[in-house]
Amino acid sequence: GAVVSQHPSWVICKSGTSVKIECRSLDFQATTMFWYRQFPKQSLMLMATSNEGSKATYEQGVEKDKFLINHASLTLSTLTVTSAHPEDSSFYICSARGQGVTEAFFGQGTRLTVV
Amino acid sequence: GQNIDQPTEMTATEGAIVQINCTYQTSGFNGLFWYQQHAGEAPTFLSYNVLDGLEEKGRFSSFLSRSKGYSYLLLKELQMKDSASYLCAAMDSNYQLIWGAGTKLIIKP
Repeated sequence: GAVVSQHPSWVICKSGTSVKIECRSLDFQATTMFWYRQFPKQSLMLMATSNEGSKATYEQGVEKDKFLINHASLTLSTLTVTSAHPEDSSFYICSARGQGVTEAFFGQGTRLTVV
Repeated sequence: GQNIDQPTEMTATEGAIVQINCTYQTSGFNGLFWYQQHAGEAPTFLSYNVLDGLEEKGRFSSFLSRSKGYSYLLLKELQMKDSASYLCAAMDSNYQLIWGAGTKLIIKP
């Protein structure tokens, strides 16, 4: 299957700082990327969907000014958690899908801990 | 509204067979996915069904009935490494995935 690389795998940051998470499709062009958040023992919660070259579509309840998503190229999308707080601590996972393909491939996930 | 239902937890014995059921209600339908997720890791793709019937892939099989809004994942010859959460997800008319809460499968020796 296709490979999606997410970086970093884990990060610890201080409250009030910003953290950037990268999601790269290594062997295909990702026209659509999805960003999820998953709290312990819960299912995936879609935060936003981004299409290359256009603004991301955020799910209800997700602050777009806090979770900045950039999908500037067909192989890279970034999620920036701005002014992070301890309640933002979670597992963030990206997935990417190519043009005309139904299956999305997941990155390895990023464990964010805000202290 | 859109909804996915699957059991919260199941227990099975090593070497046995287990069936994890999933029912879905979505606005339109473009297929049903099953993913496996080990604790602390991202989900990995197991199967995709868009037509009625059974798809077999080694020890894992997935079944779909579109008229009933129903799918199941069948795991045979269970191994300890199969202990994980199994996520059911239905794709709606906008090609968005609607996720179930996952079924935690516990395998006992």
